Amino acid sequence: DSGVTQTPKHLITATGQRVTLRCSPRSGDLSVYWYQQSLDQGLQFLIHYYNGEERAKGNILERFSAQQFPDLHSELNLSSLELGDSALYFCASSEGPTGELFFGEGSRLTVL
Amino acid sequence: GESVGLHLPTLSVQEGDNSIINCAYSNSASDYFIWYKQESGKGPQFIIDIRSNMDKRQGQRVTVLLNKTVKHLSLQIAATQPGDSAVYFCAESDSWGKLQFGAGTQVVVTP
Repeated sequence: DSGVTQTPKHLITATGQRVTLRCSPRSGDLSVYWYQQSLDQGLQFLIHYYNGEERAKGNILERFSAQQFPDLHSELNLSSLELGDSALYFCASSEGPTGELFFGEGSRLTVL
Repeated sequence: GESVGLHLPTLSVQEGDNSIINCAYSNSASDYFIWYKQESGKGPQFIIDIRSNMDKRQGQRVTVLLNKTVKHLSLQIAATQPGDSAVYFCAESDSWGKLQFGAGTQVVVTP
């Protein structure tokens, strides 16, 4: 158990809908990262927050947004969902702005 | 469990042999490199890391080698065991914390 908690574990929804994925980092970790893992793209970096502030952005679509709250948990919002958004979404946390990442078990999103 | 199902390069290794997994990275500004292991249905798990001011680092049964001249990273696993079967990812990070993963290598350990 990495100490990173992601909910929900599985989510099935329809095209055009909006979903929110939630991540609770390990106790004491200030950084939260979001990654998308799909069949043809591997692990794609989406966004990194450190202590509530956006620190780095990857290939995150405009339909996606994220935030890190004062209690350090984070949410990834996916809107206007398309079939191609079906993937595993991982959250990871680390103590500082860089360093070893601890991954959650992922949220499996299926868009029908 | 769930699997990603990528068409990954596969390394087949006999139990007890040593494994070498290679990775080419792209950003010459990257100063931190990590190897992760992902078992089916689980999130990636940290194995070992190395900073750009080093060229070798050893852990328990694992060694990471960094060649900055050719932007190459390798992971050596000694005495490979069935539990080492997984997908292995290298990752590179710059000082801003943008951690980018490579495509991954599937390691299959045969008895």
